[in-house]
Amino acid sequence: ETGVTQSPTHLIKTRGQQVTLRCSSQSGHNTVSWYQQALGQGPQFIFQYYREEENGRGNFPPRFSGLQFPNYSSELNVNALELDDSALYLCASSDGTIDEKLFFGSGTQLSVL
Amino acid sequence: GENVEQHPSTLSVQEGDSAVIKCTYSDSASNYFPWYKQELGKRPQLIIDIRSNVGEKKDQRIAVTLNKTAKHFSLHITETQPEDSAVYFCAASPMNYGGATNKLIFGTGTLLAVQP
Repeated sequence: ETGVTQSPTHLIKTRGQQVTLRCSSQSGHNTVSWYQQALGQGPQFIFQYYREEENGRGNFPPRFSGLQFPNYSSELNVNALELDDSALYLCASSDGTIDEKLFFGSGTQLSVL
Repeated sequence: GENVEQHPSTLSVQEGDSAVIKCTYSDSASNYFPWYKQELGKRPQLIIDIRSNVGEKKDQRIAVTLNKTAKHFSLHITETQPEDSAVYFCAASPMNYGGATNKLIFGTGTLLAVQP
């Protein structure tokens, strides 16, 4: 096991609601990245947090936001949920060095009805 | 923007045969190319990676090759086994992606089925 844990494993929400997903990084890792994986697609980069600051963002609207805490755990928040937000949300941690390996958690499966 | 194309989308081989999956990337400054294996309902797992200063890397039955000039890289699996059946994703790490390190652009995946 990689040590990256995510909660909850599954979540069902309705359109317009807000959701918070949580991630605990692997021990010793100070960088957390979030990815969205739609069914049948590769993961897409949402954003990255390094030492509690956002450190890069993909092509996602502002209603996708995040936090990183002093213990390097992280949250992904999505406001005003849309049907297309239904996906597997993956958290990945790394030790913050350039080109170091990413280790993924098992993800949170979000369904928006 | 940055893009990674992956082929084929599905691949069926007989146990013991070889499998090859190919990817092309658009950002010539990309310098890190990992491959992930994802079994149904599970997390992507890193199986091998290669950096741009290396042309080939091998780990037991798995090898990856990189052609920087053509911006191609490939995954080779020899002596395939039924447990190799999964979705395989290639990825590239562009140099400039909003300041993030280790951000990855993924391909669309290849479903590999190894028939016993």
